[in-house]
Amino acid sequence: NAGVMQNPRHLVRRRGQEARLRCSPMKGHSHVYWYRQLPEEGLKFMVYLQKENIIDESGMPKERFSAEFPKEGPSILRIQQVVRGDSAAYFCASSPPLQPSGNTIYFGEGSWLTVV
Amino acid sequence: QKEVEQNSGPLSVPEGAIASLNCTYSDRGSQSFFWYRQYSGKSPELIMSIYSNGDKEDGRFTAQLNKASQYVSLLIRDSQPSDSATYLCAVSGPGGFKTIFGAGTRLFVKA
Repeated sequence: NAGVMQNPRHLVRRRGQEARLRCSPMKGHSHVYWYRQLPEEGLKFMVYLQKENIIDESGMPKERFSAEFPKEGPSILRIQQVVRGDSAAYFCASSPPLQPSGNTIYFGEGSWLTVV
Repeated sequence: QKEVEQNSGPLSVPEGAIASLNCTYSDRGSQSFFWYRQYSGKSPELIMSIYSNGDKEDGRFTAQLNKASQYVSLLIRDSQPSDSATYLCAVSGPGGFKTIFGAGTRLFVKA
């Protein structure tokens, strides 16, 4: 499967625990994006990364959330001390190196986080 | 002002009709425009991308872009019940770094 791979697909955490969501971009893609979708709401941009670089994290909550895309391995979205309001679907997307014509992003299947 | 605005719907059309979905955006510098379809509990799936003014057709789908009016639309001809989903308009600015999504329009196609 050459698509964007996310895991785990479903994750249940108790309040105060940590959640780690992983994303491997599509083959040949060097850009990774994380979006959050609350129930019955739209997709909210969180962060855009290239290998070893955070390019734009303007959508990331100031506390408890962090993201990385190391030189080797998948991108990780980390949520510390989760609260019930963190329950959402987290989608990773990837795109190839930027083209003059535009920047199409392709989504993984998502990770559904439930905080109990 | 929201960056990308869509009518939340629901939009209900009979099978075989044309469904028309609309979207406006606030950033005049936006360069790339996309329509995604999202079924309940699934991830967004790219339907169309459009970069220049005018129409772009792909099968039953036609995307229309008017940069002067900051308006993007999606027409779905011969609508089928399987087209029932939420349609997300997305816009990417200069450099294409960040793609911003509208809240989506729910479409119901009645058999």
